[in-house]
Amino acid sequence: DAGVIQSPRHEVTEMGQEVTLRCKPISGHNSLFWYRQTMMRGLELLIYFNNNVPIDDSGMPEDRFSAKMPNASFSTLKIQPSEPRDSAVYFCASRRGTSESYEQYFGPGTRLTVT
Amino acid sequence: AQSVTQPDIHITVSEGASLELRCNYSYGATPYLFWYVQSPGQGLQLLLKYFSGDTLVQGIKGFEAEFKRSQSSFNLRKPSVHWSDAAEYFCAGGSNTGNQFYFGTGTSLTVIP
Repeated sequence: DAGVIQSPRHEVTEMGQEVTLRCKPISGHNSLFWYRQTMMRGLELLIYFNNNVPIDDSGMPEDRFSAKMPNASFSTLKIQPSEPRDSAVYFCASRRGTSESYEQYFGPGTRLTVT
Repeated sequence: AQSVTQPDIHITVSEGASLELRCNYSYGATPYLFWYVQSPGQGLQLLLKYFSGDTLVQGIKGFEAEFKRSQSSFNLRKPSVHWSDAAEYFCAGGSNTGNQFYFGTGTSLTVIP
């Protein structure tokens, strides 16, 4: 199994530009999570999907952030326009079932730098 | 409110010494509890999990954790730490009462020779 795949691994962009982060969950997994990790705020859940449906997006910082999951094998997290305070490592994770008893499998992350 | 708490931000141990990382949970129902490890520049990797049965669970890399309902704790232990164990450790938990899953703030482990 290839694990959770994220692209790009590193992204450097200028303030005001649109950024799109991509995630391919493990095949057969029903839930997908987007997290943001910074030194100041630690690991934050942004949004998660069950069976491609957004369940909880209360962690999305503001309207500049949006996430989609058009099918079971692909999800995007978009920031438009980006700001320097969005600089962080963004992780995608997937889970085999929708129950909280299943563990999450994390991707390697996308390190975003907004200048 | 449901939550997971890691009281120690940073811990330093000598190589070969024993290790215990603390985790406390606050769940009304039976919790599902997990320990993850994050090496520098990497994603989180599952060490072990508990959701029922034997309260002492074994994980990868020689780690174990014990669920203690009376103390609302799920502490991670290792009898002899290796230099490669230096990493960030996260406790996480959920329950069967709803879609609520939380990560602790993490404990950074330094191993000195």
